[in-house]
Amino acid sequence: DTAVSQTPKYLVTQMGNDKSIKCEQNLGHDTMYWYKQDSKKFLKIMFSYNNKELIINETVPNRFSPKSPDKAHLNLHINSLELGDSAVYFCASSRRGDGETQYFGPGTRLLVL
Amino acid sequence: AQSVTQPDIHITVSEGASLELRCNYSYGATPYLFWYVQSPGQGLQLLLKYFSGDTLVQGIKGFEAEFKRSQSSFNLRKPSVHWSDAAEYFCAVGRGGGADGLTFGKGTHLIIQP
Repeated sequence: DTAVSQTPKYLVTQMGNDKSIKCEQNLGHDTMYWYKQDSKKFLKIMFSYNNKELIINETVPNRFSPKSPDKAHLNLHINSLELGDSAVYFCASSRRGDGETQYFGPGTRLLVL
Repeated sequence: AQSVTQPDIHITVSEGASLELRCNYSYGATPYLFWYVQSPGQGLQLLLKYFSGDTLVQGIKGFEAEFKRSQSSFNLRKPSVHWSDAAEYFCAVGRGGGADGLTFGKGTHLIIQP
């Protein structure tokens, strides 16, 4: 059983398109996150959600819109994709009382052409 | 604001040799500290974490790390590396509790020589 899963694993698309990435966790955690890993492998938090409520929005362009339909799911929709959006996007989850220990999904590799 | 510095971008170690990866952090209070490993094309796997208590923490795959408050360091060690340890290693610090997530260092790329 995969603890944190993401779909799709790979996404290749043209500039200007709109795309979505889905994330699901079966760990029973109440907080979920999106991180972006750039071409130099630097990881930076984008968003966090706790019980479907947005907590952190780290100066991400408003073309990025997270949505959490329930505690187990956090999706990321990206409008008007740009070349600079090419990166690996990781979903993660954590449990209250566990010191923000993040459990990561396998990542979605986005390439914008 | 928190920050994490991993001073070594690349480290090359011979198989069977010992390993130490350096991590320095900046944080006002007692930090939550983590080491993650990322194999090529994979996600991030938690190696170990420090919240409080014993400053020497044991992790998976034979790794350990030592928290030194006076040096603001949390270095990762392994007594004898295996070829399968070749990967990217990330040190991270909790951003403040709750749902704030982690601040990561830029990573250290570990190369294992036969």
